[in-house]
Amino acid sequence: AQTVTQSQPEMSVQEAETVTLSCTYDTSESNYYLFWYKQPPSRQMILVIRQEAYKQQNATENRFSVNFQKAAKSFSLKISDSQLGDTAMYFCAFLAGTASKLTFGTGTRLQVTL
Amino acid sequence: DSGVTQTPKHLITATGQRVTLRCSPRSGDLSVYWYQQSLDQGLQFLIQYYNGEERAKGNILERFSAQQFPDLHSELNLSSLELGDSALYFCASSGTDIYGYTFGSGTRLTVV
Repeated sequence: AQTVTQSQPEMSVQEAETVTLSCTYDTSESNYYLFWYKQPPSRQMILVIRQEAYKQQNATENRFSVNFQKAAKSFSLKISDSQLGDTAMYFCAFLAGTASKLTFGTGTRLQVTL
Repeated sequence: DSGVTQTPKHLITATGQRVTLRCSPRSGDLSVYWYQQSLDQGLQFLIQYYNGEERAKGNILERFSAQQFPDLHSELNLSSLELGDSALYFCASSGTDIYGYTFGSGTRLTVV
């Protein structure tokens, strides 16, 4: 079974600064996908970024980028130029290529301050 | 609007009662997933349906059941409700490409 670990329950960053959220996972699968979801106070689950395990290049979506270290089973999210609207809970998630369900970490609560 | 519609948005009911949560997936998506999110916790997978058939089951209680209808909408039935069933219930859908799931806005269930 796959596990996803987010070791930072809470983090804080000042507006315009950069912050990195950590995620590690454990799997014996060779084909899988990794995701970061954002859950703002509205509780909506919003896909931020995804990474295919077979791709060596790190995914980037505007101010959001990942550092995917396959051998270390690490998948961190970097948020550049943080904005107040980035305040949310962030969940790391894993999907095995042969499985059907997303496995989520416990989340990191990010607070962006002035 | 994500394209996944969940109703109702809020539901308050008493212990021992039964409720039905409804989900309409994004157009073209055949898979529907149900997740439970208790207060300040992660999302726990309950069950998946694909084109009307049960595909995978997580830690879903026997008091809970689900189905997916021919028009692909899905319903999650929760019975003999307990206080601990109070949670946010999400429905998500996916298509043939692995782009992650699209989530609905959730149903907030409060059992009193």
